[in-house]
Amino acid sequence: DSGVTQTPKHLITATGQRVTLRCSPRSGDLSVYWYQQSLDQGLQFLIQYYNGEERAKGNILERFSAQQFPDLHSELNLSSLELGDSALYFCASTNGRGGSNTGELFFGEGSRLTVL
Amino acid sequence: QQPVQSPQAVILREGEDAVINCSSSKALYSVHWYRQKHGEAPVFLMILLKGGEQKGHEKISASFNEKKQQSSLYLTASQLSYSGTYFCGTELDGSNYQLIWGAGTKLIIKP
Repeated sequence: DSGVTQTPKHLITATGQRVTLRCSPRSGDLSVYWYQQSLDQGLQFLIQYYNGEERAKGNILERFSAQQFPDLHSELNLSSLELGDSALYFCASTNGRGGSNTGELFFGEGSRLTVL
Repeated sequence: QQPVQSPQAVILREGEDAVINCSSSKALYSVHWYRQKHGEAPVFLMILLKGGEQKGHEKISASFNEKKQQSSLYLTASQLSYSGTYFCGTELDGSNYQLIWGAGTKLIIKP
């Protein structure tokens, strides 16, 4: 158990719909990352928040948005869903330890989104 | 910018050794290694920093060659539990807290 909680674990929806994925980081971790992983593919960085502020942005589509709340939980909003958005969405948190800028990432179990 | 991992996949017998490589065309500040089992979340293995030493423990270790911008992960006397996909994530010098991930190396260990 990494200590990072993601809900829901599975989500099936139709094209054009909107969904919200939720992430609660490990206690004490200020930084939250969102990643997208398509079937048997690598991790695509979407966005990072640190203590409520957006810190870095990756290849996140305009249809996607995220935020981190004062209690440090984060939500990823996906709208106007397309078939290609079907993927596993991971949230990861870190306290920045390990010497690098990123530190050791603790991943949640992921939210599997299926768009029909 | 994405680091190149090699090989893409490797099949071993239990007890054999494996080396997984991660190579970047850009100057690196750090290299991170994670293992992901099918259907599960990636799990941290180690971080190697520029100017740092080889890290790891007895059976799983890694090195970072700063001059070549390459890192190698060494799996010694592999166990069935080592099966999974190994990802390297690279932090560029002067980067903004992003890890750029390789495509992964799938490792299958057979009894």
